[in-house]
Amino acid sequence: GAVVSQHPSWVICKSGTSVKIECRSLDFQATTMFWYRQFPKQSLMLMATSNEGSKATYEQGVEKDKFLINHASLTLSTLTVTSAHPEDSSFYICSAGLAGDWDTQYFGPGTRLTVL
Amino acid sequence: LAKTTQPISMDSYEGQEVNITCSHNNIATNDYITWYQQFPSQGPRFIIQGYKTKVTNEVASLFIPADRKSSTLSLPRVSLSDTAVYYCLVGDMEDNNDMRFGAGTRLTVKP
Repeated sequence: GAVVSQHPSWVICKSGTSVKIECRSLDFQATTMFWYRQFPKQSLMLMATSNEGSKATYEQGVEKDKFLINHASLTLSTLTVTSAHPEDSSFYICSAGLAGDWDTQYFGPGTRLTVL
Repeated sequence: LAKTTQPISMDSYEGQEVNITCSHNNIATNDYITWYQQFPSQGPRFIIQGYKTKVTNEVASLFIPADRKSSTLSLPRVSLSDTAVYYCLVGDMEDNNDMRFGAGTRLTVKP
């Protein structure tokens, strides 16, 4: 089946530093990937849509200069949290769609970011 | 995308059948219905998807009435490991794959 991986699975960083999270579709090509954020006891919130070879589309309220998304290939999208602050601490999840399969999304295992 | 409404939480016991209903009154013609399961600190996992009538796979069944304004996820003979949050959402088949999750239903299975 379609598998999506994320790296790292968890990261702790100091306030002010930048953190890069990778999302890979291991056995299929994904022209579109999605990035979500989930705070404790809350639902997933879509942050942005990552399109291969073009600029990402951000949801309202999500700072594009803070959350940099790069989708350089059909199997890799990266999310960089720039100048991270404690309020950015969250669970970040990516998903990728398998074309021709009723747009079913396959989700990565998530990355827990803790900013000290 | 149509807004979905689910019960916040449900309790059940091992071996019972669990039915979780989701309302999506404003579902559009191109929308399909998908259910996901999420364990703590993990990404949501696809369970089942349907457009109308009934869909069944190895883990669940999905019942969708003719008006498609609601759907019911049925989990047969649940076990303790089925304790999770279950998300119902609708998506536009003509749109670009994006999904938006509602609050989900927290299912607790008791021994």
